Amino acid sequence: AQSVAQPEDQVNVAEGNPLTVKCTYSVSGNPYLFWYVQYPNRGLQFLLKYITGDNLVKGSYGFEAEFNKSQTSFHLKKPSALVSDSALYFCAVRHIPSNTGKLIFGQGTTLQVKP
Amino acid sequence: GAVVSQHPSRVICKSGTSVKIECRSLDFQATTMFWYRQFPKQSLMLMATSNEGSKATYEQGVEKDKFLINHASLTLSTLTVTSAHPEDSSFYICSAREPGARGTDTQYFGPGTRLTVL
Repeated sequence: AQSVAQPEDQVNVAEGNPLTVKCTYSVSGNPYLFWYVQYPNRGLQFLLKYITGDNLVKGSYGFEAEFNKSQTSFHLKKPSALVSDSALYFCAVRHIPSNTGKLIFGQGTTLQVKP
Repeated sequence: GAVVSQHPSRVICKSGTSVKIECRSLDFQATTMFWYRQFPKQSLMLMATSNEGSKATYEQGVEKDKFLINHASLTLSTLTVTSAHPEDSSFYICSAREPGARGTDTQYFGPGTRLTVL
């Protein structure tokens, strides 16, 4: 069965420092991977996706993610964190067998950036 | 990016009443929309997949007679919570699938609806 794991419930970073939010996946076949961010009482905002091609994917707000097939990981990164980046981050993988575009989400990681 | 709206953003209703939530894709046509439920500090739980012009596909454990879904056009899907009870109180989020070449489509999410049933 396909699954996504975000091993950290919370990540704390000082403003200006680099940040990493971890994600690992388990799929059969080629993965289609996504990162979304959710601010309090809001829906999810799309950050970036990996379908194929370059392993380093650049997205919105200065975020990027690195696809690593051998480690089955898709970690989200940003070189210099901002206080405004504090939010809940979700990694997701496309559910391939159903072919409906359905996503399987990780449990989410709360990013706290302190001034 | 593509924009998805959701209305209302917040609703408070009495137990036993029905509540309708609308989800619209504003700048693209979505043959597929999804309805999620989210509990505080938890991940999203997919409730159903809504397909334009056909019946919705419900996830296991979701009561289709309680959560009625209608996807009448390529830009509008509605979720009706029938005979709502306090345990239905939650944050409901919709998403719309923006078509793309094989495998490249992306889900864009609405801002969510906070339902409180008294």
